[in-house]
Amino acid sequence: DAGVIQSPRHEVTEMGQEVTLRCKPISGHDYLFWYRQTMMRGLELLIYFNNNVPIDDSGMPEDRFSAKMPNASFSTLKIQPSEPRDSAVYFCASRRGPTTYEQYFGPGTRLTVT
Amino acid sequence: ILNVEQSPQSLHVQEGDSTNFTCSFPSSNFYALHWYRWETAKSPEALFVMTLNGDEKKKGRISATLNTKEGYSYLYIKGSQPEDSATYLCAFANSGYALNFGKGTSLLVTP
Repeated sequence: DAGVIQSPRHEVTEMGQEVTLRCKPISGHDYLFWYRQTMMRGLELLIYFNNNVPIDDSGMPEDRFSAKMPNASFSTLKIQPSEPRDSAVYFCASRRGPTTYEQYFGPGTRLTVT
Repeated sequence: ILNVEQSPQSLHVQEGDSTNFTCSFPSSNFYALHWYRWETAKSPEALFVMTLNGDEKKKGRISATLNTKEGYSYLYIKGSQPEDSATYLCAFANSGYALNFGKGTSLLVTP
């Protein structure tokens, strides 16, 4: 398996623009997670899905952030409109089963909002 | 939000030294404890998943122990090598769903 795939790897955009980050989890994994990594707050969980259904989005910072998982092999995280404080590395991760199993991370998307 | 504390925040050792880090987590409603290794410019990679009090796991020169009653886990590296330089994250789960990550211990091993 190719592992968790994320695109783009780097994104530079201007404030106010819409940004869409994409993730393809490992085949057969039924949990998908979106994280944001910053120096100040470390690795924060934004939202996670189980069997394509959003379970907990309490980590989503505000209404400008939204996430979807239309099928088992694809998820998006959208920021609209983007702001400079959204600049961070966004990781997608997937897992087969509950937390007694290892979680696999994608390579991350480094987002810069100017 | 569950408080997962890691110490020290950073560590600098010489090649060949053995070292250890601590992860503290809530001792109630324990489900699982994970350790991840995170190299610069890469993504976190799982080292260990531990679920039972007293669990000990080992992978090469790296080992980990778990005490769920007092809420801590230790990660040990024996004979550190420069390639061990990374951030080591622990993550606690009080359910089968999500992990709560600590901020990590940044290890630098110099020749």
